[in-house]
Amino acid sequence: SQKIEQNSEALNIQEGKTATLTCNYTNYSPAYLQWYRQDPGRGPVFLLLIRENEKEKRKERLKVTFDTTLKQSLFHITASQPADSATYLCALALGGGADGLTFGKGTHLIIQP
Amino acid sequence: DTGVSQDPRHKITKRGQNVTFRCDPISEHNRLYWYRQTLGQGPEFLTYFQNEAQLEKSRLLSDRFSAERPKGSFSTLEIQRTEQGDSAMYLCASSFGPGVKAFFGQGTRLTVV
Repeated sequence: SQKIEQNSEALNIQEGKTATLTCNYTNYSPAYLQWYRQDPGRGPVFLLLIRENEKEKRKERLKVTFDTTLKQSLFHITASQPADSATYLCALALGGGADGLTFGKGTHLIIQP
Repeated sequence: DTGVSQDPRHKITKRGQNVTFRCDPISEHNRLYWYRQTLGQGPEFLTYFQNEAQLEKSRLLSDRFSAERPKGSFSTLEIQRTEQGDSAMYLCASSFGPGVKAFFGQGTRLTVV
């Protein structure tokens, strides 16, 4: 069955450093992959989408890579700030003809001042 | 653009009661999705609509769950004969179409006592 793995343990990063989050998937060939940010008690907020034919996407301090051979996406936040502290969710297209997303458990990122 | 709106934000109900949640998507969006999120997990896809047509409902958790979008605008999610295991955050999202970013509402937190 399809499986998405994110490091669901907290990731502690010093302010100003680059935070790198990992999303691995198995038994799956998604047409695209998305990253969302979720704050406690709130709905996810879209950050970036990368398609299977794209290697890298950037938006301000964010960068995402997509390696369909390794079945892995890396999400980077450069010059991290305490306000970047949140849970980051990796999501893949459901596939099978159905629209919608399959989410990982998320990684809880803590940026320490 | 007022975003995706969900009502109520919180619902406490007794086991065995029926509950109904409402979602108002972004007005230009023809796709509407329902997800469930439990503590420490990512959102879990339940169902989605394109306009008023429900295109995928096999992932609804049981026959106690049903969703409607009668005029292709707002949607309702109903849970009949609630059980304690139904306690979760129920999220609604909308989008312009498949394979693009989704906009999530703030969710309805259901507690079954």
